[in-house]
Amino acid sequence: AQSVTQPDIHITVSEGASLELRCNYSYGATPYLFWYVQSPGQGLQLLLKYFSGDTLVQGIKGFEAEFKRSQSSFNLRKPSVHWSDAAEYFCAVGLYTGTASKLTFGTGTRLQVTL
Amino acid sequence: DTGVSQNPRHKITKRGQNVTFRCDPISEHNRLYWYRQTLGQGPEFLTYFQNEAQLEKSRLLSDRFSAERPKGSFSTLEIQRTEQGDSAMYLCASSPGETQYFGPGTRLLVL
Repeated sequence: AQSVTQPDIHITVSEGASLELRCNYSYGATPYLFWYVQSPGQGLQLLLKYFSGDTLVQGIKGFEAEFKRSQSSFNLRKPSVHWSDAAEYFCAVGLYTGTASKLTFGTGTRLQVTL
Repeated sequence: DTGVSQNPRHKITKRGQNVTFRCDPISEHNRLYWYRQTLGQGPEFLTYFQNEAQLEKSRLLSDRFSAERPKGSFSTLEIQRTEQGDSAMYLCASSPGETQYFGPGTRLLVL
């Protein structure tokens, strides 16, 4: 069964500093990978996704992520964090077969931004 | 562009009562999903529909839970005889393919 690990429960960065959120996955095949962001009490917004091809993917709000097959990782990065980026970030792996279609999420990383 | 909508946004109920949540997916998305998210955790898959057919159910979906998607449009999730452990955020998502788009969720509190 696939699994997703987000090692950092809580990260604090200063506004304007760079950010990297870690994600490791366990999956038997080439995965579909996603990053979502969730503000308090809200649903999940898709930041970016990787299906195949270029291993560096660009997303919304200035985020990017790099797929590294050898490390089973899909880390999220942003060169300069804004106070509005404070939220919870979830990495997810997609399983899609003829009858199964679902995401497996990590436990999330809560980002706090200090001014 | 209308996203996924869920109603109600919040529900408080007493233990033992039945509750029903509704999800309206993005138009023409043939896939619809329900997830449950408890405090401090990531969402956990509950069930998946392709059009009106319910193709997969998680073991988390006990016999007190039932989901329907009549005519392949909106979906309902019903919880019978609610328990305090059912308190959570219930998220609905829809997709035309592999990318899932989530609604705002229904937060359930069972007293």
